[in-house]
Amino acid sequence: DAEITQSPRHKITETGRQVTLACHQTWNHNNMFWYRQDLGHGLRLIHYSYGVQDTNKGEVSDGYSVSRSNTEDLPLTLESAASSQTSVYFCASSEGEAGYEQYFGPGTRLTVT
Amino acid sequence: GENVEQHPSTLSVQEGDSAVIKCTYSDSASNYFPWYKQELGKRPQLIIDIRSNVGEKKDQRIAVTLNKTAKHFSLHITETQPEDSAVYFCAATHTGGFKTIFGAGTRLFVKA
Repeated sequence: DAEITQSPRHKITETGRQVTLACHQTWNHNNMFWYRQDLGHGLRLIHYSYGVQDTNKGEVSDGYSVSRSNTEDLPLTLESAASSQTSVYFCASSEGEAGYEQYFGPGTRLTVT
Repeated sequence: GENVEQHPSTLSVQEGDSAVIKCTYSDSASNYFPWYKQELGKRPQLIIDIRSNVGEKKDQRIAVTLNKTAKHFSLHITETQPEDSAVYFCAATHTGGFKTIFGAGTRLFVKA
């Protein structure tokens, strides 16, 4: 069955380290999104992509980057991890023109110490 | 910038009662309004959505209403059950793209 996966599911890292969170979907969806979820803030959009080689900044993009080299993957990189980036990160994808519904991955809990 | 406000942040109801969650959005170019349910420790999942050319949509015990003039939409859950307990997020998606802005969420408790 088609799905969307994230890895790792849990990660602890130190301040200043570079961290990459993986997101992989097998639906062949054009659109992919990264959100962070913090208590009281809901889901805030970090970056999104409408297709290969396309990336766009969301509401809270500072300190994060993404690249889209194929349809299936949108890795999220924290260039220099900060304690303020401790959060739960969700990746999502949507089909695009045929439908707006976003399908979410299981999430990655990141702790920056 | 674009913003979605959601109220209340917490809602507690007795089993069998109705629950209403309200959202307002700022971007008049928004044309798609989904509602997601997130159970504890799980991923958000779509429960109902509405497009800007429709004023109301119903699916069994849940319904959504949209007032584009007022930039306001609401989720209604009737005959609530304990399994309805979760966090509910409203969202607004921009015309011509698929960027979605979420509300801060409502934690619903249904007491048996």
